Formats: sequence, structure tokens, C-alpha cells
Amino acid sequence: DSGVTQTPKHLITATGQRVTLRCSPRSGDLSVYWYQQSLDQGLQFLIQYYNGEERAKGNILERFSAQQFPDLHSELNLSSLELGDSALYFCASSGNWVEGSGNIRPFFGPGTRLTVL
Amino acid sequence: AQSVTQLGSHVSVSEGALVLLRCNYSSSVPPYLFWYVQYPNQGLQLLLKYTSAATLVKGINGFEAEFKKSETSFHLTKPSAHMSDAAEYFCAVSGGRDDKIIFGKGTRLHILP
Repeated sequence: DSGVTQTPKHLITATGQRVTLRCSPRSGDLSVYWYQQSLDQGLQFLIQYYNGEERAKGNILERFSAQQFPDLHSELNLSSLELGDSALYFCASSGNWVEGSGNIRPFFGPGTRLTVL
Repeated sequence: AQSVTQLGSHVSVSEGALVLLRCNYSSSVPPYLFWYVQYPNQGLQLLLKYTSAATLVKGINGFEAEFKKSETSFHLTKPSAHMSDAAEYFCAVSGGRDDKIIFGKGTRLHILP
């Protein structure tokens, strides 16, 4: 158990719909990362938040958005869903580690499997 | 910017044989390097990580990897493959503290009886 929780585990929806995926980071971790894993694209970094603010952006579509709340949990919102958005969405978290301490994270959650029909 | 190239999308080895999964990285800063394993229908599990300490890194399940700066490589090895090692393996790179992790495309390891 990584300590990162994601809900729901599975989500089935139709094209054009909007869904929200939720992630709770490990206790004390300030950074949250979102990744998309699909058969054709592999594991793609989407976006990172650090203590409520956007830190880095990857291959995230404009139809997708995310936020991190004061309690540090994060939500990934996917709208106008297309068949190609079907994928496994992972959340990961990390905190401030001391350089050279070896205490490197992040740890990954179990993922949310999204199926768009 | 960082990137990772994993050589071979599929690798097959016989049970008991040496496992070698290849990874080359590119990084504009001293990298942090990772190997993750993903079993079918499961999430990502960290196997081992390199964070600028010892160049030979030992991980879980008998795996180890050696950081070679001159070759920009971080290959994953295991002396003797077990059937339970069948999974997908991802090499990944990060620029360090709180930086995003960039993954390679993965190598699926098949173990032959």
C-alpha cells in the first residue's frame, strides 16, 4: 500500500460526458502528479501541483483540468470525453526530501480505469 | 529536459536465466533514475531508484541496476528469472527534487518455462 488513494477504481461513461477523478496524497506530501496510461501513448505525465499551485504541465489536453485543494487532495476533471480518453489514470505524490537522503518518492496510487463508450 | 529510451518493447528469457532490461536516459541536469514494475491490472510499484549515491543500486525482488554516466544508461538486471517476474517494467527519469517523472514506453518481460 503506497498510501496514495484514488477514487473511483473504475469509471464507465459515454462520449461527451464529464468526469472527476480524485486523489488523496500520502500524509504530508505536498506534490501531486497526474499520469495517463494508454495502450498507444504509454505513461504520459499530465500535470503536477505543489501545495495548491500548478508546478508543471505535460501533455494535458485543454478538455482536461486539475486542481489541488487546501487539504492537499487533488481532482482531475475530464470533459467532452472521447473514446480515446479511455485509459488508466494514475496519481502520485511526493514531499520535500533532503538531497542525498535517499528518501525519494513519488509513490503511485492504484489508478482509476476510465472507459468511455 | 529529461527523456528515457527503453530498448525492446518485449523481452523473453527462460526461467533461471539472466534478466537484462535496457534503459538509456537523457537529462540536462544530474538525473534521478527509477525502475517501476507493473503487474497485470495493477498499479506501479517502485523497484529501485538512483539518487546520486552509490552507482549500483539494489532493489526489491533481487533486481539491481547500475548507473553509468559515460553511457547514459541505467540497465536493470536480475541473475535468475522467476515466473513471477513476468510483468511490464518502466524506466523513468526525474530532474530531482519535486520534479515530474518521465517514463519510458515500457518493456514487457516474458518468462519461458
